[in-house]
Amino acid sequence: AAGVIQSPRHLIKEKRETATLKCYPIPRHDTVYWYQQGPGQDPQFLISFYEKMQSDKGSIPDRFSAQQFSDYHSELNMSSLELGDSALYFCASSFGQGPQHFGDGTRLSIL
Amino acid sequence: QKEVEQNSGPLSVPEGAIASLNCTYSDRGSQSFFWYRQYSGKSPELIMFIYSNGDKEDGRFTAQLNKASQYVSLLIRDSQPSDSATYLCAVNRKGGSQGNLIFGKGTKLSVKP
Repeated sequence: AAGVIQSPRHLIKEKRETATLKCYPIPRHDTVYWYQQGPGQDPQFLISFYEKMQSDKGSIPDRFSAQQFSDYHSELNMSSLELGDSALYFCASSFGQGPQHFGDGTRLSIL
Repeated sequence: QKEVEQNSGPLSVPEGAIASLNCTYSDRGSQSFFWYRQYSGKSPELIMFIYSNGDKEDGRFTAQLNKASQYVSLLIRDSQPSDSATYLCAVNRKGGSQGNLIFGKGTKLSVKP
């Protein structure tokens, strides 16, 4: 079965640079979620989209923005990167009342 | 106090035994509950979800929910070394999956051969 696809898998950036993470949800899933997981931490919710509209907002810094496109894929844009942004970034998708399924994540390293 | 509490472990059980993982949550309005398994450096993998009080069984896994006690548990029968991972309890205030998941810090399970 198709899963949530995230790209890139690994990304290395320097401080103050920008990064764009992409997420392709499971086909027919209508909701996309972004989570950040620091080393040894549990995933923290950033933002979600339902039918291309922002549905919930969590602890997402103002330097980050996200959107969901007409084909339901989503992008997380991160600017003025800081050392503390180094983490695993997961995208999850769901349909209706179904549970969230996670992608393999993007490992972002800030040098 | 964290909204979702789990014993960080490690919980060590011998192969073939029952592993019991526990989770409590503080928001009495929480409506849906999930267990994810996460291997180191990998993504959370959905194991079970439960919305109603009682037990829900799927193969070797049983999820138990007690909303009055704000308690949810996961039992793993006939534990295998491949079950060794961190188990994350997650709670959603809204019904189903509409809304963000609030995770506990996870319980590390080690199944010894």
